[in-house]
Amino acid sequence: QQQVKQSPQSLIVQKGGISIINCAYENTAFDYFPWYQQFPGKGPALLIAIRPDVSEKKEGRFTISFNKSAKQFSLHIMDSQPGDSATYFCAASTGNTGKLIFGQGTTLQVKP
Amino acid sequence: DAGVTQSPTHLIKTRGQQVTLRCSPKSGHDTVSWYQQALGQGPQFIFQYYEEEERQRGNFPDRFSGHQFPNYSSELNVNALLLGDSALYLCASSRAGTTDTQYFGPGTRLTVL
Repeated sequence: QQQVKQSPQSLIVQKGGISIINCAYENTAFDYFPWYQQFPGKGPALLIAIRPDVSEKKEGRFTISFNKSAKQFSLHIMDSQPGDSATYFCAASTGNTGKLIFGQGTTLQVKP
Repeated sequence: DAGVTQSPTHLIKTRGQQVTLRCSPKSGHDTVSWYQQALGQGPQFIFQYYEEEERQRGNFPDRFSGHQFPNYSSELNVNALLLGDSALYLCASSRAGTTDTQYFGPGTRLTVL
C-alpha cells in the first residue's frame, strides 16, 4: 500500500533553533516530494518540493534533504521563528499524476 | 491574481442528506483535485478532474462524485451523508503537465450531525 510515514507527531523548538521533520516512503515509483505548511483554519500552502534527481534543495530558511536509497526525506527549518508555528505535511506522488499521498503531519511550536 | 477559492466556508448537515461543495481554481489552472482532511490527519485524495472528466480516484465510495465545468471550476457532491464524512474538504488546482504542483484553497468545513 502506498504510504508516507511522518515523524515526529509534534515538535517544540526554541526561537533561532533548527526544526527537523522526517518522512519515509515505501513506493519507489514516487518521484515528487513536496512539503506543505498549514495554519489552523487554513488550507495547506506549498513550501518547497524536490524530485529524486537531487539530494538537497534550499529555499530561504527551508531545506529538503533527500535520501533515495533509504527512501527518506526531511525538512529542515533554519533559524526557526514563532511565525513558523504550524502543522507541516510531507507528501509524495508518482509520474505527475497529481495524486498526492500525505503524511500524518507534524505540529511545530516555536517558543520565543 | 486570485488563488483557489471554495464555498461555502462552513456547512452543517444531518445524516442521510446530500451536500455540494464548490471550487474555483487559481487563474491559469485547468486541473482540480479534491481531498478530505479529517481532524488531526493529513489530507486524503478523493479524485481529480481535467477536461471535465474524472482522471484519478482515491479509495472513496461512489457516494462521492464530482463535476468540472468548462470554466474549470468544480463541484464535489456527497450523497447519503454519514457522521464519518465530517471533515475539512480541500480543493487543489494545478496546470496539466505540472499536476503535482498543487495549490490548495481554504477548504469547506463539513459537519454531519
